[in-house]
Amino acid sequence: GQQVMQIPQYQHVQEGEDFTTYCNSSTTLSNIQWYKQRPGGHPVFLIQLVKSGEVKKQKRLTFQFGEAKKNSSLHITATQTTDVGTYFCAGGSQGNLIFGKGTKLSVKP
Amino acid sequence: DAGITQSPRHKVTETGTPVTLRCHQTENHRYMYWYRQDPGHGLRLIHYSYGVKDTDKGEVSDGYSVSRSKTEDFLLTLESATSSQTSVYFCAISQTPGNTIYFGEGSWLTVV
Repeated sequence: GQQVMQIPQYQHVQEGEDFTTYCNSSTTLSNIQWYKQRPGGHPVFLIQLVKSGEVKKQKRLTFQFGEAKKNSSLHITATQTTDVGTYFCAGGSQGNLIFGKGTKLSVKP
Repeated sequence: DAGITQSPRHKVTETGTPVTLRCHQTENHRYMYWYRQDPGHGLRLIHYSYGVKDTDKGEVSDGYSVSRSKTEDFLLTLESATSSQTSVYFCAISQTPGNTIYFGEGSWLTVV
């Protein structure tokens, strides 16, 4: 069945370093979404990408959707302690939404 | 945050007892979902609903049932709780399938 793979599973960075998480789908997606879950919290919607090759920015966060609409990435520039949490991608296809297993980011001050 | 309320937020129950988790939304979204979240497994869909009295199974539906008698309420029932059902349960809503979903704050269930 349809799968969305996300890597890495964990990432530990020093505050100020950059961070990237990658998402790959086994099938072409109609859209890709990104969510953030703070420790002890619930997933919160960050952004949705729909177009092939689309790039969107939110302050220090940059989101990309691949040309083939099968992969995506989230890049955080100069991480801060407030970035700590788990980042999930979710691929939309044929009315279904498939979540990756998430990348857990820890930031050392 | 979207208007989603889950209850109870925390519950400890004994093996073999029935448990019902409630999700209430004020957004009038058609689609509602129940996920469970466990370490190493991410978010897994249990059941979902696409309208009043219209429900379907997700990838981990065994041991769970759901009901939706009103647009705003979606109930998840564990008929006979087992320790493997110890988890965090999230309700979620969306206007259209495969698009943005909004999560409730979660219900922490421990089965002892």
